[in-house]
Amino acid sequence: SQTIHQWPATLVQPVGSPLSLECTVEGTSNPNLYWYRQAAGRGLQLLFYSVGIGQISSEVPQNLSASRPQDRQFILSSKKLLLSDSGFYLCAGNRGQAEAFFGQGTRLTVV
Amino acid sequence: QQPVQSPQAVILREGEDAVINCSSSKALYSVHWYRQKHGEAPVFLMILLKGGEQKGHEKISASFNEKKQQSSLYLTASQLSYSGTYFCGTEGGDYKLSFGAGTTVTVRA
Repeated sequence: SQTIHQWPATLVQPVGSPLSLECTVEGTSNPNLYWYRQAAGRGLQLLFYSVGIGQISSEVPQNLSASRPQDRQFILSSKKLLLSDSGFYLCAGNRGQAEAFFGQGTRLTVV
Repeated sequence: QQPVQSPQAVILREGEDAVINCSSSKALYSVHWYRQKHGEAPVFLMILLKGGEQKGHEKISASFNEKKQQSSLYLTASQLSYSGTYFCGTEGGDYKLSFGAGTTVTVRA
């Protein structure tokens, strides 16, 4: 079965610092990959999704970017973090239109 | 283009039923339902595909009205373990999986 690995689980970063969150997929090939952000007590906001290597769709204008250098690797980055970037970041993946599997998430606090 | 969920929150006593609704402004190929416990990742409950049948999982079932672009999740004879936030995710054939704001369900003894 498909497994999403995401790390770190918790991250505290100062304002203006860079960010790199990595997500890797195990157990399937050519997955669709997603990055979501969840503010405290809120819904899942789709940030980026990718249907293949190098193919990134951005959903929300923001301070973040995403890259997919390999089939089963999805990276979320920022050059300079803002306070508003704080939140719970979740990576997810699926094949075609099948059920999506989520990683355990990264709780990011920008201070 | 996020789906709209209702209600925002519901409080139940054990054994009571509830319905959570999800609607979209765009044509849908699939609807996904997930449950999230506090501080954890969402867990898959079921998926409904265009042209598919109503799905069920124990006492949780769902329906999908393709023409109305709506789906409903039915919690029957609720248990304490049903507490959490329920999300519907919609996908319109382009692999873009968007989620609603969630419905918080609290089941009390």
